[in-house]
Amino acid sequence: GENVEQHPSTLSVQEGDSAVIKCTYSDSASNYFPWYKQELGKRPQLIIDIRSNVGEKKDQRIAVTLNKTAKHFSLHITETQPEDSAVYFCAAPPGAAGNKLTFGGGTRVLVKP
Amino acid sequence: GAGVSQSPRYKVAKRGQDVALRCDPISGHVSLFWYQQALGQGPEFLTYFQNEAQLDKSGLPSDRFFAERPEGSVSTLKIQRTQQEDSAVYLCASSLERGLAIRPFAIFGPGTRLTVL
Repeated sequence: GENVEQHPSTLSVQEGDSAVIKCTYSDSASNYFPWYKQELGKRPQLIIDIRSNVGEKKDQRIAVTLNKTAKHFSLHITETQPEDSAVYFCAAPPGAAGNKLTFGGGTRVLVKP
Repeated sequence: GAGVSQSPRYKVAKRGQDVALRCDPISGHVSLFWYQQALGQGPEFLTYFQNEAQLDKSGLPSDRFFAERPEGSVSTLKIQRTQQEDSAVYLCASSLERGLAIRPFAIFGPGTRLTVL
């Protein structure tokens, strides 16, 4: 099965600074890597995802990079704002045809105004 | 509907009681997933349906957990003889196509917070 490790578990940044969260995965056949944002008491919401045929994807202040050789992928948030404060989860499926996601343990991000 | 809905949103059960949690996926969504999210942790996969067929139930923690989707739309997760360790948020997610065919892969419902006393 897939094993996903996420670091750090907590991250405190000053408003306007950047935040980086890293995840490693174990199954080299995995080919889809989503990131979810979960605010307190709410559902996880997909914020960005990347497939294994690209190395980087950007959407406004959010970007994800993927290193398939090293089996790790990262979430980058630039110009952080207080509303970015939440728990972020990375995930990966087991193999190329996986029908489920294995989630990392989550990173609690606090953006200080 | 506009999104995935779940009911009840909160459930308190006494240890040993049976509970049933309902998920209404987005209309027409083929795939339906149940996840369990313990406090402070990431969601953990429980089971997966493609239409009415339960194709993967490898994540169900014990035989006290049972899920069904008899008509390929609404799904029910049943937990028999609840234990304190069953306390968690139970998330349902649905997807239009099989597996990872489309983005977003899965749209989550708001979850049911189960507390077993």
